[in-house]
Amino acid sequence: GQQLNQSPQSMFIQEGEDVSMNCTSSSIFNTWLWYKQDPGEGPVLLIALYKAGELTSNGRLTAQFGITRKDSFLNISASIPSDVGIYFCAGLSNSGGGADGLTFGKGTHLIIQP
Amino acid sequence: DGGITQSPKYLFRKEGQNVTLSCEQNLNHDAMYWYRQDPGQGLRLIYYSQIVNDFQKGDIAEGYSVSREKKESFPLTVTSAQKNPTAFYLCASMQSGRASEQFFGPGTRLTVL
Repeated sequence: GQQLNQSPQSMFIQEGEDVSMNCTSSSIFNTWLWYKQDPGEGPVLLIALYKAGELTSNGRLTAQFGITRKDSFLNISASIPSDVGIYFCAGLSNSGGGADGLTFGKGTHLIIQP
Repeated sequence: DGGITQSPKYLFRKEGQNVTLSCEQNLNHDAMYWYRQDPGQGLRLIYYSQIVNDFQKGDIAEGYSVSREKKESFPLTVTSAQKNPTAFYLCASMQSGRASEQFFGPGTRLTVL
């Protein structure tokens, strides 16, 4: 099946620093999604991207849909303690109308040191 | 409040036993999904259902079974044939045609003793 390579696997940063993570794939996706998961909880959708080249912000979060449709990145500016968690990228190829589920990266574990 | 509920939050079972995980949604969504999450891994699709009385195997369906008798319910049974069932199980739902708006439940952590 399709695979997404997400990096970095983990990040240790100081509060206030900016964060950048990305996902790449050998396959083309028509939609890129970024989720955040807190420990022991389900993922929560942060940003959805629908068009190649699209740049979308949600507060301190900014994500971009790569021009080749094979990659996406997520930036977090001025990190705060509640940003701690695991961030997942997910791609949707839209085959079958998208109802056959998302392909997930393995996650970036963000740890913030006060 | 609309949302997805999963129960129980924590589940323990003995080896060789079948166990059923509950997933209910009151969002009136057509499609529902089951994912498995292992430590340090992304989510892997077990089964999905686009309409009532129909479901499809995902990437790792072996050792699992599902039913979709009602629109709001999509229970997952972990059978004794599943060789490594200890994991975090997540249910999700989505309205048809709104592929990006996949909402997740809070998850069930299954531990096989």
